[in-house]
Amino acid sequence: NAGVTQTPKFQVLKTGQSMTLQCAQDMNHEYMSWYRQDPGMGLRLIHYSVGAGITDQGEVPNGYNVSRSTTEDFPLRLLSAAPSQTSVYFCASSSLMRDKNIQYFGAGTRLSVL
Amino acid sequence: AQSVAQPEDQVNVAEGNPLTVKCTYSVSGNPYLFWYVQYPNRGLQFLLKYITGDNLVKGSYGFEAEFNKSQTSFHLKKPSALVSDSALYFCAVRDPLSIKAAGNKLTFGGGTRVLVKP
Repeated sequence: NAGVTQTPKFQVLKTGQSMTLQCAQDMNHEYMSWYRQDPGMGLRLIHYSVGAGITDQGEVPNGYNVSRSTTEDFPLRLLSAAPSQTSVYFCASSSLMRDKNIQYFGAGTRLSVL
Repeated sequence: AQSVAQPEDQVNVAEGNPLTVKCTYSVSGNPYLFWYVQYPNRGLQFLLKYITGDNLVKGSYGFEAEFNKSQTSFHLKKPSALVSDSALYFCAVRDPLSIKAAGNKLTFGGGTRVLVKP
């Protein structure tokens, strides 16, 4: 059981470049979300989705886009990377039905924007 | 708006001694409270939760947490710490009054690094 899989694990970008962080889960979870983790600030919610075709903004959505075309995948797109987006990004998923208050996290993507 | 505070950036404890990691929260209504642990280069792992019922909840790896409504606290405890407990610990809260469409949005504290020395 793979759980939540994130790729890549590490990425270095130049300012202005675009990229997509991939997230996939095999638990048939309705809810998926993206967080960024910065020292001393905990995890901050970027975007979330409660099902295929439904997405909404979290606490810090600017500079990021998401889409949810399938239950399994929830990619996060950086359209024009900025140094302020240097962070560790975590994808998480949970069921909205059973054990609905437990979120499962991927191993993270460490992103550096130069 | 809901918020979580973890007042200690780091907690140092000797192996075998009790471990406490503090957390206070602010939320309208009765909160759903969580503790997650992050080991180096790993994602967060669920430890325990308080939804309703007994104020003392037990979780994974011998951890427990006590919900105190009057002090709006949810401190994490372990009677006897192990070196392997060294990690980053996060407290989180979910407002059960949030609209259903918001799903399972969590608000996290800043994290507390625990260092258990042999």
